[in-house]
Amino acid sequence: EAQVTQNPRYLITVTGKKLTVTCSQNMNHEYMSWYRQDPGLGLRQIYYSMNVEVTDKGDVPEGYKVSRKEKRNFPLILESPSPNQTSLYFCASSWGTGDDTQYFGPGTRLTVL
Amino acid sequence: QKEVEQNSGPLSVPEGAIASLNCTYSDRVSQSFFWYRQYSGKSPELIMSIYSNGDKEDGRFTAQLNKASQYVSLLIRDSQPSDSATYLCAVWSAGGFKTIFGAGTRLFVKA
Repeated sequence: EAQVTQNPRYLITVTGKKLTVTCSQNMNHEYMSWYRQDPGLGLRQIYYSMNVEVTDKGDVPEGYKVSRKEKRNFPLILESPSPNQTSLYFCASSWGTGDDTQYFGPGTRLTVL
Repeated sequence: QKEVEQNSGPLSVPEGAIASLNCTYSDRVSQSFFWYRQYSGKSPELIMSIYSNGDKEDGRFTAQLNKASQYVSLLIRDSQPSDSATYLCAVWSAGGFKTIFGAGTRLFVKA
């Protein structure tokens, strides 16, 4: 089954404790992206990647890191989480450079205390 | 000014009626336009994509694009209670290789 998976689905952590949210897709998509969704603000792009070892900042990259060492995986790293990073996070992938249908993972709800 | 604007709603329509969802965008060079549906607690899923001016129909859904007015809309005919969800307008611009999403419009279809 074609899908985007994320782990964990739910996470409660404390300020400053490094965490990684994994994202994997099995559709051989080149483009992958991370979004955060907050009430009233919609989906905002954090980082995107057009291929292996090619990543770039989205609209809200502060406090986040990403890497793309393999085509299928695109982890999101929070080196020192803060309460303002409490949000719902979605990973997405698509065939081309992003001007195509994006397939979203199930989401990760993160709470930083 | 937000780059992609939608009325947050909620928009409430009776079952069987036409629901009209609207979206405006600010980047004139935007090339690709999408409507995603998001049920509560779920991830967004694509409903329609449209790339050129005019109408595009798919079943009960019709997307309309007017690049001169920087306006894109989604019509849902014969609305069903199962259409109750948040609808996200998304605009892709080649200039930034990124998709900008609106905040979404909540739609309620009353049985």
